[in-house]
Amino acid sequence: EIVLTQSPGTLSLSPGERATLSCRASQSVSSSYLAWYQQKPGQAPRLLIYGASSRATGIPDRFSGSGSGTDFTLTISRLEPEDFAVYSCQQYGSSPRTFGQGTKLEIK
Amino acid sequence: QVQLVQSGAEVKKPGASVKVSCKASGYTFTNYYMHWVRQAPGQGLEWMGIINPSGGSTNYAQKFQGRVTMTRDTSTSTVYMELSSLRSEDTAVYYCARDFQGAAGDPWGQGTLVTVSS
Repeated sequence: EIVLTQSPGTLSLSPGERATLSCRASQSVSSSYLAWYQQKPGQAPRLLIYGASSRATGIPDRFSGSGSGTDFTLTISRLEPEDFAVYSCQQYGSSPRTFGQGTKLEIK
Repeated sequence: QVQLVQSGAEVKKPGASVKVSCKASGYTFTNYYMHWVRQAPGQGLEWMGIINPSGGSTNYAQKFQGRVTMTRDTSTSTVYMELSSLRSEDTAVYYCARDFQGAAGDPWGQGTLVTVSS
């Protein structure tokens, strides 16, 4: 089973700043089958990024994903107030399709 | 519009089973796999498995093998997730999510809270 470790656990930033979130896999994620999700309190997750770097439908271009192998990054170029949430990565290249434990992005 | 509507909250005793439904609308049901993901209170997301609504084939996370059964009813465009031998650690919100190129894509159901308590 591939274990995904996200860092930091909590990230405190201000609107307008740049956010960089990390997702590290215990073994290589095949074909960059890595997704990122955003989840706000009381809501279901929303797919942001798939295939490590492709934005899902309707996702603003301030969200970008990068990486391959075992190291992946989600970058939010300029934080908007609605971006403060929990972000989780998931690998879907092998079963089980494991999630990371999440990074909470909070307002500083 | 594409929508997944799940059944309501459940309270179960340890050792019992629960069956959660997820009704799809707004698209061709058999064209998209469906994931089940759960989230314990204050915890991260946990992938449980996936079902192909077309043929009914399933792939379960090993953690749940022997306790989980995912089925579908094509006549009502509904998928089901049944979890047996419930224990307190199974208390969680259970989500269905339509597949998108292998990921739990869009949309997700609203979630079903299952509480296991004596």
